Amino acid sequence: GENVEQHPSTLSVQEGDSAVIKCTYSDSASNYFPWYKQELGKRPQLIIDIRSNVGEKKDQRIAVTLNKTAKHFSLHITETQPEDSAVYFCAASIKGNTPLVFGKGTRLSVIA
Amino acid sequence: KAGVTQTPRYLIKTRGQQVTLSCSPISGHRSVSWYQQTPGQGLQFLFEYFSETQRNKGNFPGRFSGRQFSNSRSEMNVSTLELGDSALYLCASSFEQGSFTEAFFGQGTRLTVV
Repeated sequence: GENVEQHPSTLSVQEGDSAVIKCTYSDSASNYFPWYKQELGKRPQLIIDIRSNVGEKKDQRIAVTLNKTAKHFSLHITETQPEDSAVYFCAASIKGNTPLVFGKGTRLSVIA
Repeated sequence: KAGVTQTPRYLIKTRGQQVTLSCSPISGHRSVSWYQQTPGQGLQFLFEYFSETQRNKGNFPGRFSGRQFSNSRSEMNVSTLELGDSALYLCASSFEQGSFTEAFFGQGTRLTVV
């Protein structure tokens, strides 16, 4: 089955700097890659997702890139703010066939 | 539109007991998935239901089971509880399989086994 590795497990950045979180997946058939943000004591919420027919997607300060050949995808957050502090999870699935398989998460701390 | 509702929010059980957790998906959503969240292990997939049928199952022992009702509400049951079952149990609902639609999570049920 699918296996998703996520790095780093913790990340500290200064406010205003960029943050990058990387994930690799094992199943070349996976075609859907969402990213979820979980603030302390709250439920995970989708912040951005990308399909395998797209190489990059951007939404304001957040962008995701996908390299199907290397089977890895990354989350980029620019101009980080304290409210970006949270745990971020990447996931992969074969949409319509398999459930979301999550990485183990990255705890991002943005230092003011 | 109401979000995904999980009950109860908190549970304390004793080793050897059993427990049932409930998940009410967003109205119109037919797919419900369950995840176990523990520190350092992230979100581990338990099972997925669609139209009352279990579509996928994760690598958990048979003590973990679930079901889905005709109104899409889902329950999961854990029998013979062990200390290691202490975790946050999350369910997520989505409109249907086969489309790139968002999975919405509930607030979770925090289970503590003592």
